[in-house]
Amino acid sequence: DAGITQSPRHKVTETGTPVTLRCHQTENHRYMYWYRQDPGHGLRLIHYSYGVKDTDKGEVSDGYSVSRSKTEDFLLTLESATSSQTSVYFCAISEWQGGNQPQHFGDGTRLSIL
Amino acid sequence: GESVGLHLPTLSVQEGDNSIINCAYSNSASDYFIWYKQESGKGPQFIIDIRSNMDKRQGQRVTVLLNKTVKHLSLQIAATQPGDSAVYFCASRSNDYKLSFGAGTTVTVRA
Repeated sequence: DAGITQSPRHKVTETGTPVTLRCHQTENHRYMYWYRQDPGHGLRLIHYSYGVKDTDKGEVSDGYSVSRSKTEDFLLTLESATSSQTSVYFCAISEWQGGNQPQHFGDGTRLSIL
Repeated sequence: GESVGLHLPTLSVQEGDNSIINCAYSNSASDYFIWYKQESGKGPQFIIDIRSNMDKRQGQRVTVLLNKTVKHLSLQIAATQPGDSAVYFCASRSNDYKLSFGAGTTVTVRA
């Protein structure tokens, strides 16, 4: 398995509270991604990073921010959680974006916003 | 943007039979395709990939076929086993290097 650790694995919190999810990798890969997975939808990209302090938005970035201060860590923050952000969140990594480079995924964080 | 869809949300297959899972994509500029397997409570696991300059690629018990003319790819699993029960989904990469994912086909293997 790719060396990707997501924490926490499960979290329940209330609407309006801030939440931070962490993704830690041991592969020294340049690219890191945050996705959300909801029933009936494919994985949807929230934000991604192409290097330390270099990030960009994905297709569902509203309400989320990210930070990457070290190669190995990529944080996803919900500044003020809403019930629509209840989802399973996956982190992925890849060495680079071109060529035959699949993304490899962590085991996810199940987040419930009450 | 790219849309990726699977033809059937569920597939039930007898143990030992071959499975075929289908996927359609919309962007003719997509150049790279990946199949993932996702077991309950786990993250997607890479199975096999294929570039657009190929039409077939084989792995261990799995084969991916790509038909660019009709923008369709399929995953074939030979001699399906109980451990193959999972959700399978395809992903395609468009020219902005982003991956677009299908919603998944749930494969159930009958003993």
